[in-house]
Amino acid sequence: QKEVEQNSGPLSVPEGAIASLNCTYSDRVSQSFFWYRQYSGKSPELIMSIYSNGDKEDGRFTAQLNKASQYVSLLIRDSQPSDSATYLCAVVMDTGRRALTFGSGTRLQVQP
Amino acid sequence: SAVISQKPSRDICQRGTSLTIQCQVDSQVTMMFWYRQQPGQSLTLIATANQGSEATYESGFVIDKFPISRPNLTFSTLTVSNMSPEDSSIYLCSVEGSSDSTDTQYFGPGTRLTVL
Repeated sequence: QKEVEQNSGPLSVPEGAIASLNCTYSDRVSQSFFWYRQYSGKSPELIMSIYSNGDKEDGRFTAQLNKASQYVSLLIRDSQPSDSATYLCAVVMDTGRRALTFGSGTRLQVQP
Repeated sequence: SAVISQKPSRDICQRGTSLTIQCQVDSQVTMMFWYRQQPGQSLTLIATANQGSEATYESGFVIDKFPISRPNLTFSTLTVSNMSPEDSSIYLCSVEGSSDSTDTQYFGPGTRLTVL
């Protein structure tokens, strides 16, 4: 069974701090990795995609990928209360099908 | 990214009935996906719908229960048949982005289904 694992949280951080969200995946040949943000009652919204080892930065968000260790992480700098949401890690584990396998999500709470 | 709409946005249905959910995209896309998100859970793929071919279903999902149509490159429907309370979920369609990456998916707003 191909899996994506996340800590369900909640992860609580004070406003202005760095939030660190982690994800591990089971399929070593996975090539495409995504972070989605989902507010309560809303659909997932794409934050970042990452395909190569290393860091990828976009504004306050940095995605980190380590294929050897099979983990991907998301850092949120200067966390704001509006960042409070569930963050979903998703992996394309079968490039032929291109379907996403999702982790269970980490709930982030940013305390004002 | 593509603009995706779904109808209905929510519905309350009786046990044993069927509901058809529509997904409309403002641009032509090759692959469309249908996901289910049960209460408090993450997303699970139901099936992949390519225009001009039969949908490909994931383990645990069958065509008799979740028939899918894909008549053209901008539209798809998912029917939830013979519903039971266990089918109460949010149903989401997604499409692949066409510009930045072939496997980046964008989601519609979802259909919240409650079965009594």
